[in-house]
Amino acid sequence: AQKITQTQPGMFVQEKEAVTLDCTYDTSDPSYGLFWYKQPSSGEMIFLIYQGSYDQQNATEGRYSLNFQKARKSANLVISASQLGDSAMYFCAMREAGGQCRFGAGTRLTVKP
Amino acid sequence: GAGVSQSPRYKVAKRGQDVALRCDPISGHVSLFWYQQALGQGPEFLTYFQNEAQLDKSGLPSDRFFAERPEGSVSTLKIQRTQQEDSAVYLCASSTHRDAAYEQYFGPGTRLTVT
Repeated sequence: AQKITQTQPGMFVQEKEAVTLDCTYDTSDPSYGLFWYKQPSSGEMIFLIYQGSYDQQNATEGRYSLNFQKARKSANLVISASQLGDSAMYFCAMREAGGQCRFGAGTRLTVKP
Repeated sequence: GAGVSQSPRYKVAKRGQDVALRCDPISGHVSLFWYQQALGQGPEFLTYFQNEAQLDKSGLPSDRFFAERPEGSVSTLKIQRTQQEDSAVYLCASSTHRDAAYEQYFGPGTRLTVT
């Protein structure tokens, strides 16, 4: 069963503007972690941000923030002040306590100058 | 510092051949994951180790796929009698802890092409 859903195959944003990448998830495990990774065209997976299921506050890491809405089971990534170098595939992932980690299908972000 | 390394980086196999893909995790990392990433797709979970114990192999697509981590460090993913649908990038990742809270560090991947 699909546990991570990213409904936006592609997104465009103007340089210096903010963009939100959507992610919804499904789990019955009360303990889980949510992650966002960036994959540029070179192929490496770069960790961006983490949100724990018990965290009360939304995670932030520099220009990245995670809009965590637990009741709605959503974990959207917000990138502020987009830069040309932000153009890449972005993957949402969930790791449950048992160890499995599932990834979404990804969103390709293109930043326009 | 040393990150996760994988070898070979590229592998071309003829259909029916066996292949072995190696992953060297970050030293001391307890958890190790294998993923399969087809072109244009997200990584698909294959299997998970905690030290030398394979705790979850539910993502292995068939009994032609086998993974091991005998001493709790280096891991090998073996694919027997390769098929064209096995063509993908195989990613290995390691994590400091067994908990869900800890990020995974990914290797560069092995691109397998089955002809």
